Amino acid sequence: GQQLNQSPQSMFIQEGEDVSMNCTSSSIFNTWLWYKQDPGEGPVLLIALYKAGELTSNGRLTAQFGITRKDSFLNISASIPSDVGIYFCAGNYNQGGKLIFGQGTELSVKP
Amino acid sequence: KAGVTQTPRYLIKTRGQQVTLSCSPISGHRSVSWYQQTPGQGLQFLFEYFSETQRNKGNFPGRFSGRQFSNSRSEMNVSTLELGDSALYLCASSRDRNEQYFGPGTRLTVT
Repeated sequence: GQQLNQSPQSMFIQEGEDVSMNCTSSSIFNTWLWYKQDPGEGPVLLIALYKAGELTSNGRLTAQFGITRKDSFLNISASIPSDVGIYFCAGNYNQGGKLIFGQGTELSVKP
Repeated sequence: KAGVTQTPRYLIKTRGQQVTLSCSPISGHRSVSWYQQTPGQGLQFLFEYFSETQRNKGNFPGRFSGRQFSNSRSEMNVSTLELGDSALYLCASSRDRNEQYFGPGTRLTVT
């Protein structure tokens, strides 16, 4: 079945630094989504990508849909303490409401 | 616009019992998907309902079932609970079955 590999698993950075994480898939997707989850809460949608090569920003966040349709990355610029949490990538390929999730990247930000 | 709501937020059950979880989607969203989140397996797709019909199903045993009502509200049921069913159960709603918006989840503990 489809699998997503998300890296890194965890990051510990200084406030103000930029962050980059990525996901790769064993098969192609036609939708990539990035979520952030805080402890005890559900994932919050950050960015949605629909076309290969698409680059989309949401404030300090930028995500790209890979040309091969098998990967995506998320960048966070000038990190702040409230960026702390677990970031998930998720993909979908013509399977309606079924999203495949990566294992998550746990981000810690030191003030 | 109100977000996705899930009830109850926390639940403790005993092995062998059954449980019903409820999800109210964002107004206007007709697709509801359910996911199970555990530390070991991450986020796993359970099933999706669209216009009261199950459109997609994940690899879970038949003890896991669901339904959707005409107002798009959805319920999922787990019968004959096992210790391994302890998890955060997340519901997500979508207008177009791509961008999914998650509720806060129901934390189920089976003892």
